[in-house]
Amino acid sequence: DVVMTQSPLSLPVTLGQPASISCRSSQSLVNSDGNTYLNWIQQRPGQSPRRLIYKVSNRDSGVPDRFSGRGSGTDFTLKISRVEAEDVGVYYCMQGTDWPATFGQGTKVEI
Amino acid sequence: EVQLVESGGGLVQPGGSLRLSCAASGFTFSSYWMNWVRQAPGQGLESVANINEDGSAKNYVDSVKGRFTISRDNAKNSLYLQMNSLRAEDAAVYYCAGDQMGYWGQGTLVTVSS
Repeated sequence: DVVMTQSPLSLPVTLGQPASISCRSSQSLVNSDGNTYLNWIQQRPGQSPRRLIYKVSNRDSGVPDRFSGRGSGTDFTLKISRVEAEDVGVYYCMQGTDWPATFGQGTKVEI
Repeated sequence: EVQLVESGGGLVQPGGSLRLSCAASGFTFSSYWMNWVRQAPGQGLESVANINEDGSAKNYVDSVKGRFTISRDNAKNSLYLQMNSLRAEDAAVYYCAGDQMGYWGQGTLVTVSS
């Protein structure tokens, strides 16, 4: 299975300041179709998961533009340009290139 | 509006069975791979099984192979997970998710305990 490793696992943030989460995969996530199936998933306290970013850098509908994703191959980053109170929760990177789809351990973002 | 609504969770004894259902609406269900993902209490997310658009291809995580069966009924816009020989370690909230995890339901809780 592809192992997804996130850092940090806990991220204290200040409102209005930037924040960044790193994710590394144990093998390249470039699929045979040329796409890289790396997603970022947000889970707010008490809520279901929600996808924020798909295929490395594409924001889902309704996701604020303060969220951005970048990276390639095995190294990826989620950035929040200015943290807001509603961003508190756990963030997971997830690969969908190989079965089983695997998730990072999660990064807990707290104010 | 996309909606995925899971049902069928509950308390079951070790060795018992449950059938989870997921009712989909607001998108073309028959055009997407669908997934079951679980989350044990206080833990992270784990893929359990997935199924292709017409149900002809299915994948399972090793820990549930031979015990769980994923299926779908595109006429009813529904996804299912038949869970047999349940173990304590299967206890979790089970989420239905679609389109490379772009759609998620609210989850249904499975508790395995005597």
